[in-house]
Amino acid sequence: TQLLEQSPQFLSIQEGENLTVYCNSSSVFSSLQWYRQEPGEGPVLLVTVVTGGEVKKLKRLTFQFGDARKDSSLHITAAQPGDTGLYLCAGLHAGNNRKLIWGLGTSLAVNP
Amino acid sequence: EPEVTQTPSHQVTQMGQEVILRCVPISNHLYFYWYRQILGQKVEFLVSFYNNEISEKSEIFDDQFSVERPDGSNFTLKIRSTKLEDSAMYFCASRPGTGSPLHFGNGTRLTVT
Repeated sequence: TQLLEQSPQFLSIQEGENLTVYCNSSSVFSSLQWYRQEPGEGPVLLVTVVTGGEVKKLKRLTFQFGDARKDSSLHITAAQPGDTGLYLCAGLHAGNNRKLIWGLGTSLAVNP
Repeated sequence: EPEVTQTPSHQVTQMGQEVILRCVPISNHLYFYWYRQILGQKVEFLVSFYNNEISEKSEIFDDQFSVERPDGSNFTLKIRSTKLEDSAMYFCASRPGTGSPLHFGNGTRLTVT
């Protein structure tokens, strides 16, 4: 069974703080995607990382793919209440490009 | 920007009834998916569809489920005889090719009473 573990599962911080969430697996992924999901809505793609060691920035969000393509992190600088939501990572297994493997998500609450 | 649209946004049905969830994928996409998410749980893969046939399905996708692409735009998920445990958010997704990221609709919340 391929697993993607996300940590922490829940995170509640104050506006302006920095945070990092992690997505780990023992499997190698050909690519990994980060999504953000708000209550009652579908996941919205934030970024796709493909190359081991790759770093992508999206405004205050920094995404990194591990060198071995087994893990990834999302760092948010100076969090804002609008960043509140469920952050999901999903990987395309190196041996099967058709099915995404999902993490359980990190539920982030940024308090004003 | 083109998007995946799903209807209805919320469906309430009685146990044993049939429901059809509808999706309009992005027009130039070739791969279509249904996922579900039970409240507080992981997004779960149900089925993938390519070239007018199912390419993969999960163990959740039993004989009660079926998918259809009746015309060039719609992609439907039918549950023949709903059970209480079918209550969940059902998400449709599409992508242009394998390896491309998925684009999700906003989901249909199915409540089985």
